[in-house]
Amino acid sequence: NAGVTQTPKFQVLKTGQSMTLQCAQDMNHEYMSWYRQDPGMGLRLIHYSVGAGITDQGEVPNGYNVSRSTTEDFPLRLLSAAPSQTSVYFCASSIAGNYGYTFGSGTRLTVV
Amino acid sequence: AQKVTQAQTEISVVEKEDVTLDCVYETRDTTYYLFWYKQPPSGELVFLIRRNSFDEQNEISGRYSWNFQKSTSSFNFTITASQVVDSAVYFCALSERSNAGNMLTFGGGTRLMVKP
Repeated sequence: NAGVTQTPKFQVLKTGQSMTLQCAQDMNHEYMSWYRQDPGMGLRLIHYSVGAGITDQGEVPNGYNVSRSTTEDFPLRLLSAAPSQTSVYFCASSIAGNYGYTFGSGTRLTVV
Repeated sequence: AQKVTQAQTEISVVEKEDVTLDCVYETRDTTYYLFWYKQPPSGELVFLIRRNSFDEQNEISGRYSWNFQKSTSSFNFTITASQVVDSAVYFCALSERSNAGNMLTFGGGTRLMVKP
């Protein structure tokens, strides 16, 4: 049982480049979300989904897009990378949010 | 709006000392859920505990214990007889039932360093 799988683990981008962070879960969880972790700020919610075809914005959505075409996958797209998007990104899933979330191992992104 | 505050950004103790990590939250909901997560140096987030707003019983799990007090909006975490392996960043988080998607709001985290 793989849980929540994030790829890649590390990525360096140049300013203006675009890329997609992948997230997949094999637990048949309806709820999925993306957070970014910055020093001293904890984790902040970027986007979330409560089921296939349903997505919504979190606290810091600007510069990111998401889609949820299947229950298993929830990719995060950076449209035009900026140095301010240098962060560690975590994907998480839950059977229902109030039961707690299982987190992926994270993607460390550096934008130069 | 929901908010979680972890006032202690960094704590350093010597092994075998007891240590308490503070968590204060704000919410307008009467139904909400509180969590603690551990982030060891390897970077992953490990779930420790979930508590709902109607259950104020303290909980103990081995050397870990949690004190939930609605009167002071606090959900503190105590490690008894700390060990070097407890060194990590610990996050407190809140989820409101009325919040679409029940997303988590995290505190800023407390870095615990346990020295041998």
